[in-house]
Amino acid sequence: RKEVEQDPGPFNVPEGATVAFNCTYSNSASQSFFWYRQDCRKEPKLLMSVYSSGNEDGRFTAQLNRASQYISLLIRDSKLSDSATYLCVVNMDSNYQLIWGAGTKLIIKP
Amino acid sequence: DVKVTQSSRYLVKRTGEKVFLECVQDMDHENMFWYRQDPGLGLRLIYFSYDVKMKEKGDIPEGYSVSREKKERFSLILESASTNQTSMYLCASSLSRAQSTYEQYFGPGTRLTVT
Repeated sequence: RKEVEQDPGPFNVPEGATVAFNCTYSNSASQSFFWYRQDCRKEPKLLMSVYSSGNEDGRFTAQLNRASQYISLLIRDSKLSDSATYLCVVNMDSNYQLIWGAGTKLIIKP
Repeated sequence: DVKVTQSSRYLVKRTGEKVFLECVQDMDHENMFWYRQDPGLGLRLIYFSYDVKMKEKGDIPEGYSVSREKKERFSLILESASTNQTSMYLCASSLSRAQSTYEQYFGPGTRLTVT
């Protein structure tokens, strides 16, 4: 079983719609959680950290469910520019290594 | 703005060649990382370094070595390139061990093809 699992997609979503995807992690000792975004043929960039209480940044909302060991990303009022691959990333604290999911591809259609 | 640069965007090498991939960061970051990214597998850590002349093996170090002689520069070496090392190689840096943030800043990547 992979340590961090994501649905690879692609999720094809019309512009303006709301889309959500989850990521599950296997190690209950995981402490820190992140969503990175990777555009086609580009490097990953941090989108947002995921806090225990959940957090929101504009149209993006991230949630953490420790009991079920998953994190989620919700995108409201999706834009064409949101098309990208979203990478779920987990850290087990006490070190600075990150465990990466394979990514979920999102395509926003006009 | 943090800038991480990699020596080549595209590289084609022959089986058995020694390959050097260079990475430079300009923000005085302590930690540097080398990953490879393959479709469906996500980023896999090859080696990382948290200080000059220090290195630690990641998940897939076999067939690779690294060098960190200066804080800003982290080199990945393929001692004898093989076709299964064809991949996208990404270098990253992050601030320091003492910081609680784990944000990593990536270079643009080197797409290596071994024929």
